[in-house]
Amino acid sequence: DTAVSQTPKYLVTQMGNDKSIKCEQNLGHDTMYWYKQDSKKFLKIMFSYNNKELIINETVPNRFSPKSPDKAHLNLHINSLELGDSAVYFCASSQLSSREAFFGQGTRLTVV
Amino acid sequence: AQSVSQHNHHVILSEAASLELGCNYSYGGTVNLFWYVQYPGQHLQLLLKYFSGDPLVKGIKGFEAEFIKSKFSFNLRKPSVQWSDTAEYFCAVKFGGATNKLIFGTGTLLAVQP
Repeated sequence: DTAVSQTPKYLVTQMGNDKSIKCEQNLGHDTMYWYKQDSKKFLKIMFSYNNKELIINETVPNRFSPKSPDKAHLNLHINSLELGDSAVYFCASSQLSSREAFFGQGTRLTVV
Repeated sequence: AQSVSQHNHHVILSEAASLELGCNYSYGGTVNLFWYVQYPGQHLQLLLKYFSGDPLVKGIKGFEAEFIKSKFSFNLRKPSVQWSDTAEYFCAVKFGGATNKLIFGTGTLLAVQP
């Protein structure tokens, strides 16, 4: 009964490939996020969806495309992967009114 | 611009020592404040949060934090650390407004020596 789950946990791929990371939350939250944590542990928000609608889109290359088929899911698709995309990607969710975010386990993406 | 700063990047303590980690934010309006902890190889977990009311908040595992509005600070404290507290600690602030964006500080790596 994991609250926020991401798959896969680890992803190793070659430059130029296209990959997806999936996220699901069973908390009934209306808002979901993607964060990127770089090698220095800095956490930066990438996207946020509220009720399937994009509300935050930070300065992220358009090779990154989030997709929210429903409130409980927010997937991240990355085209033409580059070495600099190597990082840990965290999915999170919150109820807009409560403002506290719950995080998934993270996906460690390594581009070689 | 809205920002969150943590001045201590790396802290090394012996067991039973007291801990205080600094967190300051840039915005003068309504904020919600959080401390998250990330144990090695794990995801972020909420330690404590402040929305309103008593500025001294207590969290899990003996941690507490004090919101000082005049100083735009939300420092994390623990009277006596344990080896198991070794982790990365992140201060985060949700600034007032419609976007519901949670901004993180750069993190503080705490290493507790037995």
